[in-house]
Amino acid sequence: GAGVSQTPSNKVTEKGKYVELRCDPISGHTALYWYRQSLGQGPEFLIYFQGTGAADDSGLPNDRFFAVRPEGSVSTLKIQRTERGDSAVYLCASSPLAGTWNEQFFGPGTRLTVL
Amino acid sequence: DAKTTQPPSMDCAEGRAANLPCNHSTISGNEYVYWYRQIHSQGPQYIIHGLKNNETNEMASLIITEDRKSSTLILPHATLRDTAVYYCIVRVEGAQKLVFGQGTRLTINP
Repeated sequence: GAGVSQTPSNKVTEKGKYVELRCDPISGHTALYWYRQSLGQGPEFLIYFQGTGAADDSGLPNDRFFAVRPEGSVSTLKIQRTERGDSAVYLCASSPLAGTWNEQFFGPGTRLTVL
Repeated sequence: DAKTTQPPSMDCAEGRAANLPCNHSTISGNEYVYWYRQIHSQGPQYIIHGLKNNETNEMASLIITEDRKSSTLILPHATLRDTAVYYCIVRVEGAQKLVFGQGTRLTINP
């Protein structure tokens, strides 16, 4: 079956611009996660949705970052006034139910480059 | 979540068993040990997890010491496709996020 998909696969933007990154989770998965991975580092948690609501946004680095999931399926990560330090791979994951034992299924990521 | 320590890199010959160690000396009773791997240019992939008993699935085996302060992921017959970064993660019961370290870069050599 279809896995988690993310679009675009690559995004190049200029400093100060606004970007949106999209995540399509596996159908029926209620939990959705965003992570960010800088070069040479492990992924870093940003935000977690259970259904439509953000249950934990403690990983968002500042108020330039915002994410939504209005219908409990597709999610969009929004970054305002991008900075060069925002350059990274942004990973999305989903799982069928929130719970410790549930594995998270990751998408291939969106590589964001801020010039 | 407890901190994990892994060697930065390891090599293994194709067809041999790859044994990847992980130290988690501050693990508490309600924390599970998870392993994920990340093949180049892909998202992380779940491998296996356990609490205190050894676990085996079609991908790997997980051996957890009796005091739970360390564990070993075993890939019984490594192939070139197993070349990846392997992450050992300790996750408290009920927690949603995964806390990744820098992992072990495993290279399988022909």
